[in-house]
Amino acid sequence: DQQVKQNSPSLSVQEGRISILNCDYTNSMFDYFLWYKKYPAEGPTFLISISSIKDKNEDGRFTVFLNKSAKHLSLHIVPSQPGDSAVYFCAATYKNYGQNFVFGPGTRLSVLP
Amino acid sequence: GAVVSQHPSWVICKSGTSVKIECRSLDFQATTMFWYRQFPKQSLMLMATSNEGSKATYEQGVEKDKFLINHASLTLSTLTVTSAHPEDSSFYICSAALAGGRANEKLFFGSGTQLSVL
Repeated sequence: DQQVKQNSPSLSVQEGRISILNCDYTNSMFDYFLWYKKYPAEGPTFLISISSIKDKNEDGRFTVFLNKSAKHLSLHIVPSQPGDSAVYFCAATYKNYGQNFVFGPGTRLSVLP
Repeated sequence: GAVVSQHPSWVICKSGTSVKIECRSLDFQATTMFWYRQFPKQSLMLMATSNEGSKATYEQGVEKDKFLINHASLTLSTLTVTSAHPEDSSFYICSAALAGGRANEKLFFGSGTQLSVL
């Protein structure tokens, strides 16, 4: 049973436009969410996170939105750049689960020049 | 940022042999390290949590005698796939958490090891 879902395995966006990556979760205990970015042959690197007490967190071109009632979060990248092309993983955890993050399957973003 | 080194990045072995994968935190101490496995187009699946100086905690369905984990120091954890078989072929990746870090603190990942068992 997949607790964290990323239903789009891939996404293509034109350079300069907005990229929106979606993530859904089923476990209502999750209270902390993270996005990781992974380039080929490298480990995932942390991108941005959000606590369940917030509904939005912004860091430069990256914004994460959280809709707790819908158990849905999204990552917005504006403007998208070719260097953003990577696999993006959504991850979730809760207070007592600490750093045992549950990962989604990832979405491969391709930003076309 | 913190660096986690994972070695080797790629290994091909014959069925029945054992393979050791190392995970090192290079510039910080990691009380806890995690080992994951990823099959193509699937999630990173947590296999076990490795705590320095104590036995690893394995996730349900992961054979602890098959996947031996040793976390002998605050900077090194090893995963040994014993008597590897073709079905063990997968991408293995480790992550490390800063010692003394808060719960939910972000993890730092190694670059992964692609294991192919012939």
